Amino acid sequence: ETGVTQSPTHLIKTRGQQVTLRCSSQSGHNTVSWYQQALGQGPQFIFQYYREEENGRGNFPPRFSGLQFPNYSSELNVNALELDDSALYLCASSLGTGRGYEQYFGPGTRLTVT
Amino acid sequence: QQQVKQSPQSLIVQKGGISIINCAYENTAFDYFPWYQQFPGKGPALLIAIRPDVSEKKEGRFTISFNKSAKQFSLHIMDSQPGDSATYFCAATGNFGNEKLTFGTGTRLTIIP
Repeated sequence: ETGVTQSPTHLIKTRGQQVTLRCSSQSGHNTVSWYQQALGQGPQFIFQYYREEENGRGNFPPRFSGLQFPNYSSELNVNALELDDSALYLCASSLGTGRGYEQYFGPGTRLTVT
Repeated sequence: QQQVKQSPQSLIVQKGGISIINCAYENTAFDYFPWYQQFPGKGPALLIAIRPDVSEKKEGRFTISFNKSAKQFSLHIMDSQPGDSATYFCAATGNFGNEKLTFGTGTRLTIIP
């Protein structure tokens, strides 16, 4: 059984550009959540996808968007990158929504915006 | 708005000692409180979790103490080992229709020989 994987590992982009980050959920998991972890801070919830539909969103602007595919893998897209978007982006998958389901985190994608 | 406050920011404990990390929350809708351990280059991993219907939960060397009236909870690591050196995050969530986790700011724990 493979765990949650994310690609790429590191990424450098210029302000104003667009970026796509990818996440493969753990086998059998139908729910994917995305978090942003700024340096020295705890992860902050961006949004969650459950069976290809958005299921809750944190306090992030619309230029942060996502997608979940039929195989439950997911993408995070960020448009018009800003310097403050520099962070570790974490993806977590779970067997379902709700408090009874443990979230398994991937190693993250480190995004640097210059 | 920070809804979960965590302290200390960093902690150095001698091997064999007790490591204590504290968290406080504001949102009374929170009803599930997990702790995560994160090593460099890795994502957070669930360590132990508690619901507010109990005041303490123990798993091996790790214990969560929970004080519902004070809206505080803490992680105790007994007999701390160098392998416990990591960043620890407390978190909270509630019946929001999704398991949106609200994390604390993290505590970097270093265990010295």
